[in-house]
Amino acid sequence: DQQVKQNSPSLSVQEGRISILNCDYTNSMFDYFLWYKKYPAEGPTFLISISSIKDKNEDGRFTVFLNKSAKHLSLHIVPSQPGDSAVYFCAASAAGLVLTGANSKLTFGKGITLSVRP
Amino acid sequence: DSGVTQTPKHLITATGQRVTLRCSPRSGDLSVYWYQQSLDQGLQFLIQYYNGEERAKGNILERFSAQQFPDLHSELNLSSLELGDSALYFCASSVAASTQETQYFGPGTRLLVL
Repeated sequence: DQQVKQNSPSLSVQEGRISILNCDYTNSMFDYFLWYKKYPAEGPTFLISISSIKDKNEDGRFTVFLNKSAKHLSLHIVPSQPGDSAVYFCAASAAGLVLTGANSKLTFGKGITLSVRP
Repeated sequence: DSGVTQTPKHLITATGQRVTLRCSPRSGDLSVYWYQQSLDQGLQFLIQYYNGEERAKGNILERFSAQQFPDLHSELNLSSLELGDSALYFCASSVAASTQETQYFGPGTRLLVL
């Protein structure tokens, strides 16, 4: 049962244009969401996160949007650069459950391979 | 460089064998997480340790075990290896135990079971 879904395995965009990476989730208990970027032969690196009390979080060229009613989030990269070419993982957690002593694990999607063409 | 180190980088072994993967967290981080990434799969959470104690458990097989030592490094032991255990194994660390803490990932250990 995949609770975090990244249905598009790949995306190709032109340098300078916007990249939009989508992620859907099924577990309504998720209240914290993160995006990680991964280059080949390296571990994932944290990019940006958003709490469920917000619907948008921005950090430089990266903006994450959260639509709780649709259980959908997206990562926007503007403008896209060739160095952004990587695999992007969406992850979610039910951080609120930490207060009850429940597991505080991250659930990851399968990732989207972004290619930015010069 | 995330500050998290993992050894070895590559490991080739045979079915039925046992291997140990090692992880050193970032200086000051008390939490260590282990993840498995199989072909075409996302990262699957295996287990978390916080300051030497098991904190959370994911889809970790009974053939797998882990521990965190007093110096906070961690080892993941995989035994009775099967072909399907071939994967990338990542270790991550964070300062505390909450998932709202940024997790810093190591470069991974690529395990190939023949």
